[in-house]
Amino acid sequence: GENVEQHPSTLSVQEGDSAVIKCTYSDSASNYFPWYKQELGKRPQLIIDIRSNVGEKKDQRIAVTLNKTAKHFSLHITETQPEDSAVYFCAASVVSGNTGKLIFGQGTTLQVKP
Amino acid sequence: DAGVTQSPTHLIKTRGQQVTLRCSPKSGHDTVSWYQQALGQGPQFIFQYYEEEERQRGNFPDRFSGHQFPNYSSELNVNALLLGDSALYLCASSLGWGETDTQYFGPGTRLTVL
Repeated sequence: GENVEQHPSTLSVQEGDSAVIKCTYSDSASNYFPWYKQELGKRPQLIIDIRSNVGEKKDQRIAVTLNKTAKHFSLHITETQPEDSAVYFCAASVVSGNTGKLIFGQGTTLQVKP
Repeated sequence: DAGVTQSPTHLIKTRGQQVTLRCSPKSGHDTVSWYQQALGQGPQFIFQYYEEEERQRGNFPDRFSGHQFPNYSSELNVNALLLGDSALYLCASSLGWGETDTQYFGPGTRLTVL
């Protein structure tokens, strides 16, 4: 069935270190993979996304890599800062006809310690 | 540029009641998707509306229904509320209903069923 698995569920790093969150998806037809950051009590905010025609995308301290053969993708945050602390969700778009719906992972709670 | 807005912010209902939640999409967007986010979980897809029609539906019972208006705003209705319907209800808008269209979330409506 449609499933996205996300690991780890919690991640604690020191300020300045890197953080990596990994996701695996089940639908081989998925071709769009966004990442959202959700702070406590706030809306999920899109931080980066990647489409299947590229293997890597970078935006300042954030990068995402995609391995379609293995059906997994990862979020990399470098030089972490306390304001990076939040819950991060990966998602994969599941195609049905011409439409897509997002299937989310369970989330990773990232804590950046000063 | 107006982002996605939702109303009300919070809502308390009792079992068996009915509720209507509202969403206005981001300016220029024509597609609205609804998600349910239980505490500590990732958002789960309920359904998606485009051109006033339901285009795709997740694994939710018929008690969950929706509507999209000509101005692209949308409503989510839930009948015969159960305790398990308590969650944050998020709407997301996009330009288009394809599988690679970027979705932007509203702040959500926190529904508590007693």
